[in-house]
Formats: sequence, C-alpha cells, structure tokens
Amino acid sequence: AQTVTQSQPEMSVQEAETVTLSCTYDTSESDYYLFWYKQPPSRQMILVIRQEAYKQQNATENRFSVNFQKAAKSFSLKISDSQLGDAAMYFCAYRNSLGGSEKLVFGKGTKLTVNP
Amino acid sequence: EPEVTQTPSHQVTQMGQEVILRCVPISNHLYFYWYRQILGQKVEFLVSFYNNEISEKSEIFDDQFSVERPDGSNFTLKIRSTKLEDSAMYFCASRQGRQGDTEAFFGQGTRLTVV
Repeated sequence: AQTVTQSQPEMSVQEAETVTLSCTYDTSESDYYLFWYKQPPSRQMILVIRQEAYKQQNATENRFSVNFQKAAKSFSLKISDSQLGDAAMYFCAYRNSLGGSEKLVFGKGTKLTVNP
Repeated sequence: EPEVTQTPSHQVTQMGQEVILRCVPISNHLYFYWYRQILGQKVEFLVSFYNNEISEKSEIFDDQFSVERPDGSNFTLKIRSTKLEDSAMYFCASRQGRQGDTEAFFGQGTRLTVV
C-alpha cells in the first residue's frame, strides 16, 4: 500500500520569505500523481499544485513550486514571497494513475504559520 | 467556476440516529468520493463511486455507511446509526476522469458532530 509522510508537523516563515515543506512517499508504481492541498481555517481543501510522475519538469504555479525527486520519492513544496494568506495546513497527497486504487492517500499535514 | 457543494455545512445528531450528508459534484465529472477528517488528524479515504456503483471502499466504510446517487446531480453519504467516533469533517470530492485529467476537486465539507 502507498504511504505519504510529512515529517514537519509545523513550520513558520516570515512574510515575504521562502519556505519549503517536505513530503516523501512510498510506492511500487512507476506512474502516479502527486498533489499539494491547502486547508485554511475554513477547512476547505484547495488544490495548490500537482505533478505527474512521468514528467521530469517540476510543476510551478505562480509563487508555488515543487522539487520532485522520483528516485528519492520526494516531493517538496516551495512557497516563495510568503503571504499572510498562505497560513494553513498543507497536505501532500498521492494517487495512482493507471488502474488499481483511485483514492488519494494523504500525509498527516504540515501547519504553516506566516509571521508579519 | 464550477465547484462541489455540500450540505449541510454543520450537522449535529444524537448517537444512534441516521444522518445523510449531501453533495452536488461538478456536473461533467464521472468519479465521486467521500473522505473524512477527524479533528487534528489526516484526511482519510472512505469510498469511491463510478458508473453508479462503489469502485473502492476503505476499512472505515463498514455496513453502517452507504452511498447513493439518487438522480443525475446528488451524491449522498448515509450513516445508519451514528457513533461518537463518527464525529468528523466529511468531504465530498469529484474528478472528471477523462484523458489528461488528474486532480479531484473538494467541497467545503460537512462538520458532523455526534452527541
């Protein structure tokens, strides 16, 4: 079974600075998807960024980018120019891409605090 | 922008009562899911639904749980006899499922409190 590990329960960053959230995963599959979801205090799950495992290029969405290391099974999220609105729980998630389980497997989350 | 909507946003029920949580997935999506998140814990998969049947379910999804797509728009989760430990945030999600599609879109959640 696939597992996702987020080793940082909490992180903090100064406004306008850069922060990196870590995520590792375990799978025997070669093709899959990885996601970062943001959960603000409202508790809604909001997709931040996604990465297809077959793509070597790291995904980028404005201030959010990932460092995807397939061999190391690592998928970290970098937030540049942090803003107060970035404060939230961040969940890393995995999904198979071809057949088998369609479910998302989540890590335990990292609580990000942004200090003014 | 299309979104997944869930009702109610908060439900309080007595232990042993039946509850139905409702979701309206995005209209052209084919895959539907329920997840739950107990306060302070990670999001856990409950069940996936495709082509009018359950395609996968977790160990949590026992005989007390059922899902239904009664018409072309709604997707419901029923808990027959609620327990205290069913108190959690329940998220509905949907995914288009066509070629090139990847991510699931989540609703805003229903907070279920069993007293």
